[in-house]
Amino acid sequence: GQQVMQIPQYQHVQEGEDFTTYCNSSTTLSNIQWYKQRPGGHPVFLIQLVKSGEVKKQKRLTFQFGEAKKNSSLHITATQTTDVGTYFCAGDQGAQKLVFGQGTRLTINP
Amino acid sequence: DGGITQSPKYLFRKEGQNVTLSCEQNLNHDAMYWYRQDPGQGLRLIYYSQIVNDFQKGDIAEGYSVSREKKESFPLTVTSAQKNPTAFYLCASKVTSYNTGELFFGEGSRLTVL
Repeated sequence: GQQVMQIPQYQHVQEGEDFTTYCNSSTTLSNIQWYKQRPGGHPVFLIQLVKSGEVKKQKRLTFQFGEAKKNSSLHITATQTTDVGTYFCAGDQGAQKLVFGQGTRLTINP
Repeated sequence: DGGITQSPKYLFRKEGQNVTLSCEQNLNHDAMYWYRQDPGQGLRLIYYSQIVNDFQKGDIAEGYSVSREKKESFPLTVTSAQKNPTAFYLCASKVTSYNTGELFFGEGSRLTVL
């Protein structure tokens, strides 16, 4: 079936280190979205990427969409304790519903 | 303020009982969704509704039922047929299911079967 794989499942970093999570789809995506879920909270939308090769930045966060529209990444530069949480990618495969990756749980040592 | 309200936040139920989770939105969104989240896993789609009086099964619909009698409301019933119902349930909405756009999530309902 349709799958969106996300790695790593867990990542622990020292505050100030960089962090990257990767998302790969078995099929071409029309677009990809990224969400953040704080511990005990609910997912909150971060960004949507639509174009092949698109790169978007939000302060210390950089989002990329692959040329083939099958993979994506989220990179955080110089992590802060406020970045703690689980980051999910969600692929729109054109079936009017999003398929979520398993998420990458980020913990930070202050 | 506009948003999505889920209730109850925590719910305990005995095996063999049905339970209904409430989801109400005042965002005037057409599309509404129910997801299930288990530890270490992503969100899995249970049911979704694109418009009032219409809904479709998601990837894990067995043991669940929904209704969409009003635009604002999309309740989820977890029936006794659901083999492993203990989970975190998230309701979400979107302006319309026909265009890309962000999902707005409620705060979730945590169901524990005793």
